[in-house]
Amino acid sequence: EPEVTQTPSHQVTQMGQEVILRCVPISNHLYFYWYRQILGQKVEFLVSFYNNEISEKSEIFDDQFSVERPDGSNFTLKIRSTKLEDSAMYFCASSLDVGYEQYFGPGTRLTVT
Amino acid sequence: RKEVEQDPGPFNVPEGATVAFNCTYSNSASQSFFWYRQDCRKEPKLLMSVYSSGNEDGRFTAQLNRASQYISLLIRDSKLSDSATYLCVVNEGGGGGFKTIFGAGTRLFVKA
Repeated sequence: EPEVTQTPSHQVTQMGQEVILRCVPISNHLYFYWYRQILGQKVEFLVSFYNNEISEKSEIFDDQFSVERPDGSNFTLKIRSTKLEDSAMYFCASSLDVGYEQYFGPGTRLTVT
Repeated sequence: RKEVEQDPGPFNVPEGATVAFNCTYSNSASQSFFWYRQDCRKEPKLLMSVYSSGNEDGRFTAQLNRASQYISLLIRDSKLSDSATYLCVVNEGGGGGFKTIFGAGTRLFVKA
């Protein structure tokens, strides 16, 4: 069964450093998403991506965040200058089309020290 | 008013019990609806989509009432493995721009 994969599973970084989180969506899916979940809190939408551009983004997704599909398979989330409050689990998801079921990767736990 | 609201629980039920979860959403233009389950420190896993006509998958039944902006999930004959957090998920928007809103989840513990 096809699945979304994410690397790394855990990333530790120092405040102010840049991090890139990587995702490989399901191959025939057209929409890709990033979410974050701070420990003990709910899953929060960050951004959706379609046809090589951002489709929708939340208030959380400010100028320090960017997304890219650098090749035909990878989808990345870059955080330019990490803050302590960026520590969270980051989930990538993909769906066949807009509004369809989304399938989630196992997440990257980001720890900013 | 929260965009997607759920009773946080926890619900503690014995094996074999029937349990119902409710969810309300605030945006009447919401387009699609889902239930996910999330185990501790894991990713959300799709349980089922929710349709106005209601839909059933084995022991799970989901209902949507658009007029009341209300979604429900019924689990019959609970198993120990059903212990998890159940997330109500709503897609808002249309015309190419969708925002996905998660409820905070309802925690379920099924006891032997």
